[in-house]
Amino acid sequence: GAGVSQSPSNKVTEKGKDVELRCDPISGHTALYWYRQSLGQGLEFLIYFQGNSAPDKSGLPSDRFSAERTGGSVSTLTIQRTQQEDSAVYLCASSLGTGGSGTQYFGPGTRLLVL
Amino acid sequence: AQSVTQLGSHVSVSEGALVLLRCNYSSSVPPYLFWYVQYPNQGLQLLLKYTSAATLVKGINGFEAEFKKSETSFHLTKPSAHMSDAAEYFCAVRLSNFGNEKLTFGTGTRLTIIP
Repeated sequence: GAGVSQSPSNKVTEKGKDVELRCDPISGHTALYWYRQSLGQGLEFLIYFQGNSAPDKSGLPSDRFSAERTGGSVSTLTIQRTQQEDSAVYLCASSLGTGGSGTQYFGPGTRLLVL
Repeated sequence: AQSVTQLGSHVSVSEGALVLLRCNYSSSVPPYLFWYVQYPNQGLQLLLKYTSAATLVKGINGFEAEFKKSETSFHLTKPSAHMSDAAEYFCAVRLSNFGNEKLTFGTGTRLTIIP
């Protein structure tokens, strides 16, 4: 079956612009996660959703970052007023549910470059 | 709280030789432990996971890892390296208590295979 998909695969933007990154989880997966992978910080957790609610937003680095999930499926990560330090690969993952030892399945990522 | 330390950011082994990638963790409660592999410009793929059942875990592509509580380690091994094993490997930990869903990753080990 189809895996986690993310769009766009690459995004180049100018400092100060807003960007939206999209994630389509595996069908039937109720949990969805956003991570960021950067040279300086490695792989960092940003936020996760169970259904449409986000019980843990502790990894969002600033109030310029927000995410939503509608219909328990697609999620959008929005970065407002982008800064050069936001340049990174943004990875989305999904899992069947929360709790237990469930596997998180990752998408290919969106590579964001802020000029 | 939880953390992961991967010793050796770069490891080189000859084709056919033993692969050993080290991972040590700290966790305030019993952990779930994971090894993921990342090929260039791709997302993360699960190799194997420890979920408090057997301490020796077998994964895909001939990899295995042993959970050693006394040493707080979860090292990844493969008896005979193949050229196709060249990639970056990430160890990750997740707390097993309810409500803790985020994966905390190590900084990664880049594996190079020498022909």
